[in-house]
Amino acid sequence: DIQMTQSPSSLSAFVGDRVTITCRASQTMGNYLNWYQQKPGRAPRHLIYAASNLQSGVPSRFSGSGSGTDFTLTISSLQPEDFATYYCQHSYNTPPTFGQGTRLEIK
Amino acid sequence: QVELQQSGPGLAKPSQTLSLTCAISGDSVSNNVAAWNWIRQSPSRGLEWLGRTYYRSRWYSDYAVSLRSRIIISADTSKNQFSLQVNSVTPADTAVYFCARQNHGNQGHSFEYWGQGTLVTVSP
Repeated sequence: DIQMTQSPSSLSAFVGDRVTITCRASQTMGNYLNWYQQKPGRAPRHLIYAASNLQSGVPSRFSGSGSGTDFTLTISSLQPEDFATYYCQHSYNTPPTFGQGTRLEIK
Repeated sequence: QVELQQSGPGLAKPSQTLSLTCAISGDSVSNNVAAWNWIRQSPSRGLEWLGRTYYRSRWYSDYAVSLRSRIIISADTSKNQFSLQVNSVTPADTAVYFCARQNHGNQGHSFEYWGQGTLVTVSP
């Protein structure tokens, strides 16, 4: 199975800050990388597919980049509703696996 | 807009069978660019993919290796829904279970739509 490792595991930031979350895969996987946001008690919400494509309805302050083994999710200017846990996930082969999550907290 | 509505009991006893259903609206379970997945989440294992079913001229199913001997995921075209069965459950199967639609029409094959989640507790 491909292992997905996110860093940092947790992050504190102010409203308005620019933040970047990194996801590293244990093997190369093209751009079969997706990002999700999850708030407590809710299902994950799909943000980005194929490394850099914004899902319909997702604000443009979210962006993704990367290919191969290294990927990033960037939020350009944090809003209060962005404080949540973020997960990367690959679909390069079966089984699809998720990173352990990055918890983004208000400073 | 696709919506997934989960149903099923939130409690199972050890050695019994866990059964959940995911009803689909806004799409067809037979859509040949979609796959219908079950994913669970627990503090110890994080988000864990369990398996999927999908239709490509015929029905296919894939399962996580760790569960392959205990799991069945199947579709019911008459009700436009799909189901999860996990046999011989133990407390380690306690988790929040999600159904999710995977889009095979985009390169990311992402999980675009999710059910609301069902907390299943395995306890005597």
